[in-house]
Parts: sequence; structure tokens; C-alpha cells
Amino acid sequence: GDSVTQTKGPVTLSEGTSLTVNCSYETKQYPTLFWYVQYPGEGPQLLFKVPKANEKGSNRGFEATYDKGTTSFHLQKASVQESDSAVYYCVLGDPTNAYKVIFGKGTHLHVLP
Amino acid sequence: DMKVTQMPRYLIKRMGENVLLECGQDMSHETMYWYRQDPGLGLQLIYISYDVDSNSEGDIPKGYRVSRKKREHFSLILDSAKTNQTSVYFCASSLLQGKYFGPGTRLTVL
Repeated sequence: GDSVTQTKGPVTLSEGTSLTVNCSYETKQYPTLFWYVQYPGEGPQLLFKVPKANEKGSNRGFEATYDKGTTSFHLQKASVQESDSAVYYCVLGDPTNAYKVIFGKGTHLHVLP
Repeated sequence: DMKVTQMPRYLIKRMGENVLLECGQDMSHETMYWYRQDPGLGLQLIYISYDVDSNSEGDIPKGYRVSRKKREHFSLILDSAKTNQTSVYFCASSLLQGKYFGPGTRLTVL
């Protein structure tokens, strides 16, 4: 069946360093891909939708491009800040149901000042 | 201001008691959801509601039921709560696949 697999955390970085959270997906359909972020004590919130293959989605300095060849859509940020400490989820839209999505297990990011 | 609210935020119940979790949204979204979140398991879909009185089981509906009598309100009911239903419960609403989540309810069943 359809699935997403992402970097297993926790990931600990120092402020100012770069971030990559790897995510790959499996689906036989044309994928709809998202990144969500969850800050402590809050619900997940949509970070951005990754548009078509080889196009970049971005928000708040984070970006992702999905590669149809490798079925991946890694999340990247050039310079993380302490306020980026959160759990990041890659999400695959369920191609059989426009309202359902499949969440990855989440990657916990700690950014040290 | 687009918002999903959840009440209560924290709840402690004893095994066998009934539990009612409430969710509201002010965006007139037709579709609403209940998820639970557990360490190591991520977010699991319990129920989807496509509109008033139009509800569908998600991936883990056993032990739960839902009620949606108004578009802006969606309730999750646990009849005779079990200890393995201790979790954080999130409500969400959406137009399509991009979702707005509430702040969560932390339920502890003793």
C-alpha cells in the first residue's frame, strides 16, 4: 500500500547549521505531498505543499522539491534557529480519497543555541 | 481568524467511565477528523466526518464513536474508556488534504 518513510530522530543541530530531513514515499498514483510541523504543546500545522515534480515548495525558510525518479521529497533549511525546534512530518495524500492523508512517523528536531 | 478549538485540553478518567471530547471550527469546513497521537506511532486517524451526520471510520475506529449534528462541531465519544485509550487526541478540519489542527486534548485513563 501507499506509505511514507522519513528520517528517524531525534536530530540535534546547532543554530546556524543546515537541516535535511529525508522522506521517501511509495504510491502507484500521482503523489500529493506535504510537510507539516508540530511545535511543543500544539497541533500539527501545514508548513507547505510540495507542488509538481521538480518544482520547489517553500515556507519560513524551509523548502522541498520532490524527485519522481527517487520518489523522495526531502525537507531542507540552510540555517536553522532555536525556534525551529519541533517535530516535522512528511505527508502523502491518499490518492483514493481526497480527504485522507498518510503521515510519516515524524522527525524530532532540537536546535541548540 | 481560522481556528479549531478543542475542549477540554486535559482530562483524567477512570477505566469504564464515558468520555466526551469536543471540537469546534469557525471556517465552515465540511470535513472534520479525529486523530490520536502516541509516541512512536505518530498520528492515527480515528474517524472522518464529511458533513453533518456523514461519518466514516478511519484506520483505528474500534472503541470510539463520533457525532456531528452541526457543521462546526464534531464530538468524539469513548463509551467505557480503557487504559490503552490514554493518548493525545487531535481534531482537524479541512477543505481538501491541507488540514487545520486543534491544540489537542491529553486524555489519561487510569
